[in-house]
Amino acid sequence: DGGITQSPKYLFRKEGQNVTLSCEQNLNHDAMYWYRQDPGQGLRLIYYSQIVNDFQKGDIAEGYSVSREKKESFPLTVTSAQKNPTAFYLCASGRTSGNTGELFFGEGSRLTVL
Amino acid sequence: GENVEQHPSTLSVQEGDSAVIKCTYSDSASNYFPWYKQELGKRPQLIIDIRSNVGEKKDQRIAVTLNKTAKHFSLHITETQPEDSAVYFCAASSLSGGYNKLIFGAGTRLAVHP
Repeated sequence: DGGITQSPKYLFRKEGQNVTLSCEQNLNHDAMYWYRQDPGQGLRLIYYSQIVNDFQKGDIAEGYSVSREKKESFPLTVTSAQKNPTAFYLCASGRTSGNTGELFFGEGSRLTVL
Repeated sequence: GENVEQHPSTLSVQEGDSAVIKCTYSDSASNYFPWYKQELGKRPQLIIDIRSNVGEKKDQRIAVTLNKTAKHFSLHITETQPEDSAVYFCAASSLSGGYNKLIFGAGTRLAVHP
């Protein structure tokens, strides 16, 4: 069953703690993305990666970090430097060739900072 | 960078009526304009997209129109049904091979009342 899997679905964290959100895909997509979703603000791009061992900052990268050691995996770390981390985080993947621009999203991870 | 504005933020229609959602974009280099539907508690999914070399595209009850000169594009849903109730996001990017850095609008919450 192909797709993109995020975990955990819900996560609670105390202020000052780092937390890592997992994103795995078996769609053989080269490109992967992390978006943050807040009520009334749509989806905002945090980081994206086109290829293994390479990634770029999106519009709201401050306080976040990523790695891309494997094609299938693109974990996101929310660091203690992120001032307002409570949000819904969506991971996506897509092809970098062919005539399609579709992104395939995971089911999301909801992070709550206590 | 690209900025996408979406209106209205909420839309309420009676079943069978039409619904129209409008978006404007700022970057004249953008050439790819998808629409995503996000049902409550679920992941966003692509419902239709259009490229800058096309003015209109239809798929059953949904259609998208693009005015490149005015930099705006619209989603039209005809004969709305209760299952059309969801949040709809427009997006824009300059798709030219490689990654697809989509910039999303803030979303429109559509409610279709029986």
